[in-house]
Amino acid sequence: AQRVTQPEKLLSVFKGAPVELKCNYSYSGSPELFWYVQYSRQRLQLLLRHISRESIKGFTADLNKGETSFHLKKPFAQEEDSAMYYCALTNTGNQFYFGTGTSLTVIP
Amino acid sequence: DAGVTQSPTHLIKTRGQHVTLRCSPISGHKSVSWYQQVLGQGPQFIFQYYEKEERGRGNFPDRFSARQFPNYSSELNVNALLLGDSALYLCASSDLIGRLRDPYEQYFGPGTRLTVT
Repeated sequence: AQRVTQPEKLLSVFKGAPVELKCNYSYSGSPELFWYVQYSRQRLQLLLRHISRESIKGFTADLNKGETSFHLKKPFAQEEDSAMYYCALTNTGNQFYFGTGTSLTVIP
Repeated sequence: DAGVTQSPTHLIKTRGQHVTLRCSPISGHKSVSWYQQVLGQGPQFIFQYYEKEERGRGNFPDRFSARQFPNYSSELNVNALLLGDSALYLCASSDLIGRLRDPYEQYFGPGTRLTVT
């Protein structure tokens, strides 16, 4: 069965510290992995997708197929990074599976 | 473009009643997906429609149904409401044909908050 696991519901880091939001998945096949973000009072929006291999707002995520992980990382956290982050996967784009989310707080 | 719009914003229903939620996608998007987000959980996929055809269905009972209209707007219907149906219902549109850089990118609406009492 397809599953996305985000083990941390809450994560707090100090401004300027590195941050890593964990995501593990189980899927039989080759899924596409995504990170979505929801800032306070805003809509859920796509942050990045593994296949694009881009750095968005300083965030990167590497797909590790051996460990079935897709952790989100940023070397220096900023206050504006405080938000809810969701890891998600899809097979053909017809059905998406989301994790339960991690609430990131960056302490000034 | 106002982005994806959903109506109503909030509504309160009683157990056993029926509810219809509406979604208008971004202009030019032909695919609409529906999600249920219970408090403290991530969005859970309900349906995806493309060109008025159902393309994907999540693990939800038959009380949940949806349809897409020729203008690509969509309705989600839930019959015989249960207390457990109380949630934020999200709609997302995307351009599956791939005119965009990322055909899998979904654009979410603000959601409809449904409370069942």
